[in-house]
Amino acid sequence: DTGVSQDPRHKITKRGQNVTFRCDPISEHNRLYWYRQTLGQGPEFLTYFQNEAQLEKSRLLSDRFSAERPKGSFSTLEIQRTEQGDSAMYLCASSLAPRPTGKSTDTQYFGPGTRLTVL
Amino acid sequence: GQQVMQIPQYQHVQEGEDFTTYCNSSTTLSNIQWYKQRPGGHPVFLIQLVKSGEVKKQKRLTFQFGEAKKNSSLHITATQTTDVGTYFCAGYGTSGTYKYIFGTGTRLKVLA
Repeated sequence: DTGVSQDPRHKITKRGQNVTFRCDPISEHNRLYWYRQTLGQGPEFLTYFQNEAQLEKSRLLSDRFSAERPKGSFSTLEIQRTEQGDSAMYLCASSLAPRPTGKSTDTQYFGPGTRLTVL
Repeated sequence: GQQVMQIPQYQHVQEGEDFTTYCNSSTTLSNIQWYKQRPGGHPVFLIQLVKSGEVKKQKRLTFQFGEAKKNSSLHITATQTTDVGTYFCAGYGTSGTYKYIFGTGTRLKVLA
């Protein structure tokens, strides 16, 4: 257990429905990442936050995807009008941004993921 | 866009043999991180390299960052069955954002 939790762990939905996933990062971590992983592939970057600011969003994402991180704590990822191609494992990771001095690394701690199946 | 490729895609070794996976980026990286993902699990951080030409060791694992900061390698000496899993490299470019791009991964199987 890395200390990053995700809810739900599994979600089965019908095509066209909206789904929302939640990620609770390690409490003192200021960076939060969302990735999507399909079988046999590496995690694919979706977006990341530093505190409550969403600093980058993948161009691969359509307008159907949105993420929020109110108050810089937990984050939600919403997929509207789901499609079968959205079926994947959605991973959340958090990290503590390295200070200008010191030897800390931007280690990403991953949660267990939410497995989405779109029928 | 930035792409990170890893070779080989799969590797089967006998226990006790050595293993190496190579990571190649299409663009210069600010850093390189390595992760291990066990079947059914999530990626687990192994190490980060930042400096050009940097080499780090963790017991039987040796990590190297290329001089041009566009490639990296992970070498495991005398593999054990506990080394089974998929190894991913990941890094972000020099544009100033922390958009990590993960490699395609190398899946290692160790035969006892």
